[in-house]
Amino acid sequence: SQQGEEDPQALSIQEGENATMNCSYKTSINNLQWYRQNSGRGLVHLILIRSNEREKHSGRLRVTLDTSKKSSSLLITASRAADTASYFCATDASDYKLSFGAGTTVTVRA
Amino acid sequence: NAGVTQTPKFQVLKTGQSMTLQCAQDMNHEYMSWYRQDPGMGLRLIHYSVGAGITDQGEVPNGYNVSRSTTEDFPLRLLSAAPSQTSVYFCASSYRLETGFGGYTFGSGTRLTVV
Repeated sequence: SQQGEEDPQALSIQEGENATMNCSYKTSINNLQWYRQNSGRGLVHLILIRSNEREKHSGRLRVTLDTSKKSSSLLITASRAADTASYFCATDASDYKLSFGAGTTVTVRA
Repeated sequence: NAGVTQTPKFQVLKTGQSMTLQCAQDMNHEYMSWYRQDPGMGLRLIHYSVGAGITDQGEVPNGYNVSRSTTEDFPLRLLSAAPSQTSVYFCASSYRLETGFGGYTFGSGTRLTVV
């Protein structure tokens, strides 16, 4: 069963706008990770946030984690056409199994 | 540095045939895993290994076998292919943190069709 669930399932934005997607999960975690997948390619690790962290930045990416609500968000600022991809959250829940959600498909329009 | 290498990239099998998907990593990662990705279902864990000689089942292990004789290699064997195993298969590896594991490095995938 999937631990994480992303919301929304799909998102369409104009180039230059910000994109926000959310992830909810069910059990306590060691860390939460976000990945990007371009069509037909493997997943690429974007950012990892530990359970004792609340916010993390990497370039145009900002991730927040609220362990009390068991939720996380990924913000992509000033989006570009190259950001068009599917984004997945994944949780490491102390059982050696990284569990993925079904993903959010982001389309950035020129 | 090649990262995670998967072969083959594409494969068509007939129902009942067996085959092995190869996965190799050159990062000395302890942890390796196999996932399958089906439309609308995200990634589901098939088998994983926390070190050479140690393997365990994930969420959807039926019909698949694995072994981990070396740190580098983690092959996935389909015992008797079925149409339900048509999917894209990803191998991934990672390293241990103080608690849990770090970001996973994924291979480019094997697209398998069973007819």
